[in-house]
Amino acid sequence: GAVVSQHPSRVICKSGTSVKIECRSLDFQATTMFWYRQFPKQSLMLMATSNEGSKATYEQGVEKDKFLINHASLTLSTLTVTSAHPEDSSFYICSAPDGNQPQHFGDGTRLSIL
Amino acid sequence: QKEVEQNSGPLSVPEGAIASLNCTYSDRGSQSFFWYRQYSGKSPELIMFIYSNGDKEDGRFTAQLNKASQYVSLLIRDSQPSDSATYLCAVNIIISGANSKLTFGKGITLSVRP
Repeated sequence: GAVVSQHPSRVICKSGTSVKIECRSLDFQATTMFWYRQFPKQSLMLMATSNEGSKATYEQGVEKDKFLINHASLTLSTLTVTSAHPEDSSFYICSAPDGNQPQHFGDGTRLSIL
Repeated sequence: QKEVEQNSGPLSVPEGAIASLNCTYSDRGSQSFFWYRQYSGKSPELIMFIYSNGDKEDGRFTAQLNKASQYVSLLIRDSQPSDSATYLCAVNIIISGANSKLTFGKGITLSVRP
C-alpha cells in the first residue's frame, strides 16, 4: 500500500538552530501534503497544507516565517523550523492523501530544543 | 469553529469486552469520517473510514455513522490488551471547492485490562 516516509525521526538541538524535516510519498504522487504538530497528551493540530507548485496554506496562528514549507516535487515536502526555541519542541507529523484514499501519515519527527 | 468532540477518557475495559468509542462533529457538510489509532510516541495509523450512514465492519472493528445526529462511533469487539492506545476521530471538513482538511478530536485513551 501507499507509504509516507518522514525523516529524521528525532532531532535534539540547541536553541536558535534551524531544523529541516522531510516528508516523502514513496509510491504515489502527492500534490498536497499536510503538516501537523502534536504536543504531549494533545490531539493533532494542522499547521499548514503544502501545495506542490504553489505557496503553502497556513492555519490561523501559525507563523509562516517561522515554519517554512517547500513542496519541491510531487513526492517531497519539507518543513523547516527556523531559529527553533524550546517552545517549538513537539511531535511533527506529515501526511499525504493518495487520490481519494484516506491520508497516510509519516512516522513523525520528535523535535527537542534545548 | 468546526469541531470534532470525543468523550473524555480514559476508557478502561476488561479483555474480551466490547469497547465503544464515540465522536460528534459540528459541520453538517462533512462527508468522510475516520478512526485512527495512536500508540504512545508513534504517529496515527488508520483503523477505519466510513462515508455512508450505517455500520461498516472490518474484523473486530465496526464503525457506525449517523449523519442526522452528527455522530460517528467505533466499536471494538473482543478487546485485546494490544488495543490499548489513544483513538482519534477525524472528520474531513470541506474548506472550499475541492479543498478539504482533516480535523481531529482530542482522542480517547483506551486501556484493556488483561
